[in-house]
Amino acid sequence: AQKVTQAQTEISVVEKEDVTLDCVYETRDTTYYLFWYKQPPSGELVFLIRRNSFDEQNEISGRYSWNFQKSTSSFNFTITASQVVDSAVYFCALSPRGMYSGGGADGLTFGKGTHLIIQP
Amino acid sequence: NAGVTQTPKFQVLKTGQSMTLQCAQDMNHEYMSWYRQDPGMGLRLIHYSVGAGITDQGEVPNGYNVSRSTTEDFPLRLLSAAPSQTSVYFCASSTTWGQGYEQYFGPGTRLTVT
Repeated sequence: AQKVTQAQTEISVVEKEDVTLDCVYETRDTTYYLFWYKQPPSGELVFLIRRNSFDEQNEISGRYSWNFQKSTSSFNFTITASQVVDSAVYFCALSPRGMYSGGGADGLTFGKGTHLIIQP
Repeated sequence: NAGVTQTPKFQVLKTGQSMTLQCAQDMNHEYMSWYRQDPGMGLRLIHYSVGAGITDQGEVPNGYNVSRSTTEDFPLRLLSAAPSQTSVYFCASSTTWGQGYEQYFGPGTRLTVT
């Protein structure tokens, strides 16, 4: 069974501070994908990044960066110089890689989310 | 492209009533799925489909039915609504399953069962 743990239920920081959202996962699959989604107050789910388990390179996109460490089963997300518009719930998710197998395993497993509040 | 559309956006049902949540995508995606989001629980998979005519149960399928007669549509049926089904429902689609393609989510349907 797969599991994604986002231990930080809520984080509050002041604008311009850096903040890291933690994600720890469990899977028996040797190949898999990891995702981050953002859910702003308006409620839609916005895709941020996908990471293949084969690729442990860190990634940077503007103020966003992701640190994937297979050895510790973690895929952490850092926002540098946070802004009020970054306020949202952020979800980490996991999916297996491979062909359809049935049995209920062919979907994203989400963490419970981290509510990030950026105060002006 | 409209992407993934869901109707209705809001719905109030009484216990025991049935209804269908509609989901459609115009991207010719093979894979479609339904999730429910409850406070503090993240999103949980209800049902999914890897193509027309193929459906499977996810983590929380009880009380829901699905069918996939076309590539575009994947309706979710509540057979006899219960207060425990009060939730926000998201439909999602992606090109195919198992290759890490981004899942595109619809705007959600907020359902209240009284």
